[in-house]
Amino acid sequence: DTGVSQDPRHKITKRGQNVTFRCDPISEHNRLYWYRQTLGQGPEFLTYFQNEAQLEKSRLLSDRFSAERPKGSFSTLEIQRTEQGDSAMYLCASSLAIKSTEAFFGQGTRLTVV
Amino acid sequence: DQQVKQNSPSLSVQEGRISILNCDYTNSMFDYFLWYKKYPAEGPTFLISISSIKDKNEDGRFTVFLNKSAKHLSLHIVPSQPGDSAVYFCAASVSGGSYIPTFGRGTSLIVHP
Repeated sequence: DTGVSQDPRHKITKRGQNVTFRCDPISEHNRLYWYRQTLGQGPEFLTYFQNEAQLEKSRLLSDRFSAERPKGSFSTLEIQRTEQGDSAMYLCASSLAIKSTEAFFGQGTRLTVV
Repeated sequence: DQQVKQNSPSLSVQEGRISILNCDYTNSMFDYFLWYKKYPAEGPTFLISISSIKDKNEDGRFTVFLNKSAKHLSLHIVPSQPGDSAVYFCAASVSGGSYIPTFGRGTSLIVHP
């Protein structure tokens, strides 16, 4: 296992189109997080899963955003009717749900909405 | 409101000297703290962490100090190397709960040869 994998690395889309990103976590990790990072900011929490259950969503996650983790393994993040303000780096991270532990991040998907 | 604050956007240090990166937090429930390092076009990489039951944790050239009463932590890099040039993020979480790390805005460290 080489770590957290995200696909695609880059996505350019026209405003109003739908996009979907995929994240494959480290195999034994049961927690999976989605973050968004814009220029000059740190990663901002969007949502997280423990196994297949989506346990928390940030108020940043508008109705146009939906995330799934159907079998408790990989996860997808879909953005519908993209807006220019959605342009950001979308980061996925995974961790073990025991005590406090570090989350391991993927390389991110850079979304540009034109 | 930023619960984790890194007030210095950038820091420039000479190779071989000490780099000190600072972080303040406001949420007293935070009890686990992490530092991440990020190179351009890559995701953050975990560097070092500290639990609130400790006031210092050391790993090679990296040491994190925690001052709970001041709600302040710092990362010391000694000696600094050009390869340490990156953006450093401080993060904090609450154990016994969702453990969701909350990040600061980052400090860009440049180590000059």
